[in-house]
Amino acid sequence: NAGVTQTPKFRILKIGQSMTLQCTQDMNHNYMYWYRQDPGMGLKLIYYSVGAGITDKGEVPNGYNVSRSTTEDFPLRLELAAPSQTSVYFCASSYSGGLTGTGIQAQHFGDGTRLSIL
Amino acid sequence: GENVEQHPSTLSVQEGDSAVIKCTYSDSASNYFPWYKQELGKGPQLIIDIRSNVGEKKDQRIAVTLNKTAKHFSLHITETQPEDSAVYFCAARATGGGNKLTFGTGTQLKVEL
Repeated sequence: NAGVTQTPKFRILKIGQSMTLQCTQDMNHNYMYWYRQDPGMGLKLIYYSVGAGITDKGEVPNGYNVSRSTTEDFPLRLELAAPSQTSVYFCASSYSGGLTGTGIQAQHFGDGTRLSIL
Repeated sequence: GENVEQHPSTLSVQEGDSAVIKCTYSDSASNYFPWYKQELGKGPQLIIDIRSNVGEKKDQRIAVTLNKTAKHFSLHITETQPEDSAVYFCAARATGGGNKLTFGTGTQLKVEL
């Protein structure tokens, strides 16, 4: 199993451009997440999904969009790139079982996409 | 919402010594506390976790303790080795849907020869 795979690994964008960060997992996890990591700030949750067709906002969703059409894929879209979105982006996945999804399972992370907006 | 504070931000120890990293959380309903290790250029990797119904958990040189009353938990690494040098993050999961984690701001651990 490859685990969580993120592409691209690096990208430089100009202000106002758009792009999609790709994330795919092969562990059949139902939950997926997008975080951003800024120096000295830890990881902040952008969006998450508890299954195909279901997404919800995290702590810092402004300027981003997501979709979840399949169990495996969870792309993150930046529509109008701004310098404040310069960051390292991590995708993660986990499995949670039960009717209310309250089973506790570890989150597994990809190796990140390093994005600079100039 | 949940708030997690982590100390120290940097920690330097001699090889073979022990290292301790401490975290506090604000939401008394939090029930799951993982620790992640992040090496340069890589994503965070889970090294140990503890649930709220357990006070201590150990895995070889790594242990985690949880004090629910004081709302703090700690990572203990014994017999440190150079390969333990990395950034360590604590996190807390509050009850409710989504299995969402709130992360601390990280500790840069340096193990010196």
